[in-house]
Amino acid sequence: KNEVEQSPQNLTAQEGEFITINCSYSVGISALHWLQQHPGGGIVSLFMLSSGKKKHGRLIATINIQEKHSSLHITASHPRDSAVYICAPSWGDMRFGAGTRLTVKP
Amino acid sequence: DTGVSQDPRHKITKRGQNVTFRCDPISEHNRLYWYRQTLGQGPEFLTYFQNEAQLEKSRLLSDRFSAERPKGSFSTLEIQRTEQGDSAMYLCASSLGQGFGYTFGSGTRLTVV
Repeated sequence: KNEVEQSPQNLTAQEGEFITINCSYSVGISALHWLQQHPGGGIVSLFMLSSGKKKHGRLIATINIQEKHSSLHITASHPRDSAVYICAPSWGDMRFGAGTRLTVKP
Repeated sequence: DTGVSQDPRHKITKRGQNVTFRCDPISEHNRLYWYRQTLGQGPEFLTYFQNEAQLEKSRLLSDRFSAERPKGSFSTLEIQRTEQGDSAMYLCASSLGQGFGYTFGSGTRLTVV
């Protein structure tokens, strides 16, 4: 069974803090996606990665294929980063973690 | 190409009625996916297509649900005899294929009353 676990489920931070969201999955994958969903909004793809590390602005995503683990980091967090962040490993199709609800307070 | 389009954006229907949603993927994308998302939950996989072939269906996709992609371009998702539990956001996504990024549509919000 392909399972995805994300932690934490909810995260509240002060503006400027460094954020880390973790994702573990049970079966080897071809790629892993990090997605962002704002309240009432659509889903935006942030990263797709199959190895190593990717960086886009203040967002950094890493993956360790051997340990079946990925992390999403946000540096210098801002209230506009408040959203649900979803990890989605891909085994052909894409399955979603339950998401991490991030709230960044000014 | 303006991305993945879904129609309608919102649908309110009475219990027992049939509804059909449409998804137009990015034109060169071979893969098309349907997901369902209820309030406060992450999206749940329903089914996906490689061109016109339906390659996998979740067991969430009961016999009241059917999806088609007849010409390998747009797709439809039909729900027959809707139930209140079908109320959700139905999301469509497309990609060039396995290992490529996904683009999501804005979704169709279904409310069954």
